[in-house]
Amino acid sequence: DADVTQTPRNRITKTGKRIMLECSQTKGHDRMYWYRQDPGLGLRLIYYSFDVKDINKGEISDGYSVSRQAQAKFSLSLESAIPNQTALYFCATSEPTGANVLTFGAGSRLTVL
Amino acid sequence: GDSVTQMEGPVTLSEEAFLTINCTYTATGYPSLFWYVQYPGEGLQLLLKATKADDKGSNKGFEATYRKETTSFHLEKGSVQVSDSAVYFCALEPGANNLFFGTGTRLTVIP
Repeated sequence: DADVTQTPRNRITKTGKRIMLECSQTKGHDRMYWYRQDPGLGLRLIYYSFDVKDINKGEISDGYSVSRQAQAKFSLSLESAIPNQTALYFCATSEPTGANVLTFGAGSRLTVL
Repeated sequence: GDSVTQMEGPVTLSEEAFLTINCTYTATGYPSLFWYVQYPGEGLQLLLKATKADDKGSNKGFEATYRKETTSFHLEKGSVQVSDSAVYFCALEPGANNLFFGTGTRLTVIP
């Protein structure tokens, strides 16, 4: 099994629908992140969490919310999806020591029509 | 603010050619620098890192040297293979809370 698992891997939805992307990890890491990848823009941070009780906004949090249900689970929600949220979403984890090396999931491709 | 500027692609090379992908950064203090690689259909994975000036990160034949005087962290490989075809991201960690990624450079190696 992968260290960081994202579900669903692909999702097509309509404008205005609520969408949840889920992430679970077996690394035992405290830190978890959600990134968004768009062509030509690289990766941008949406939210991050350093432990179950800690949630922080990233660079582009508007239109998104997150929930850290347990150390191993971190979900991203789009309350009312819009077409410009069409992107590839990555969950990642890291340890709190040393350089901040991230372990990424395989990604969730979301298309909003 | 903190940022990374990465060589735009795409880059197409023949097998066994020399590779350089340029990366420069802007940051205060002493950031850590990284190269991540994304193979088709996969998430990013760490390729190499350097945590202080003059450090050289290396892995799988790739190298990059942390040059503080030129604020650069260029990725090099002496002889690329078809299996190196991927998207390469330079990243900067100015502190403990976030990584700033470059826009990515797509490399295609043809036989």
